Amino acid sequence: SQTIHQWPATLVQPVGSPLSLECTVEGTSNPNLYWYRQAAGRGLQLLFYSVGIGQISSEVPQNLSASRPQDRQFILSSKKLLLSDSGFYLCAWLGTENTEAFFGQGTRLTVV
Amino acid sequence: DAKTTQPTSMDCAEGRAANLPCNHSTISGNEYVYWYRQIHSQGPQYIIHGLKNNETNEMASLIITEDRKSSTLILPHATLRDTAVYYCIVRPRSTGGFKTIFGAGTRLFVKA
Repeated sequence: SQTIHQWPATLVQPVGSPLSLECTVEGTSNPNLYWYRQAAGRGLQLLFYSVGIGQISSEVPQNLSASRPQDRQFILSSKKLLLSDSGFYLCAWLGTENTEAFFGQGTRLTVV
Repeated sequence: DAKTTQPTSMDCAEGRAANLPCNHSTISGNEYVYWYRQIHSQGPQYIIHGLKNNETNEMASLIITEDRKSSTLILPHATLRDTAVYYCIVRPRSTGGFKTIFGAGTRLFVKA
């Protein structure tokens, strides 16, 4: 069965520090992968999506970047975090047609 | 922008049916209607999806109007654990490179 792993669950980082959040999927190949961010009490904002290795589409100009070094690995990064980068980050994947999206459990990032 | 509109919040008494509406007046012929829910501080969870016929599974029923411009998610016997944010999204059948956009959703409060 397909599973998605996202870590860490919580993270507190100082302003100006780097960030690396990792997401990996199992039980599927060539998935579409997504990074979302959710501010407190708000909906999900699509940040990046990827249809394959090295293919990244950015939805929102921001202080973040994404990479897909392997088929089932999706990484969210920042060189210097801002206070506004705080939020709940979710990774998701979508497999073959007509299937639902599977979400990781999320990373709650607090930039202090 | 999300292609769906939903009420911001709804209340439902425990044990009663919860009917959550969604408008998707610009839905295309190849787009499915998907419903997810998000319990606080967790990743969204898939509930059900459909194209044009009504669907039912162990979690809920989905009623899609004949013109496909709106749908209703029905939780037949709501429990306190159904309190969550419910998202209605539309997406094409093909998964190649599309963006899954979530709106703000409906916050359902199930009350004892």
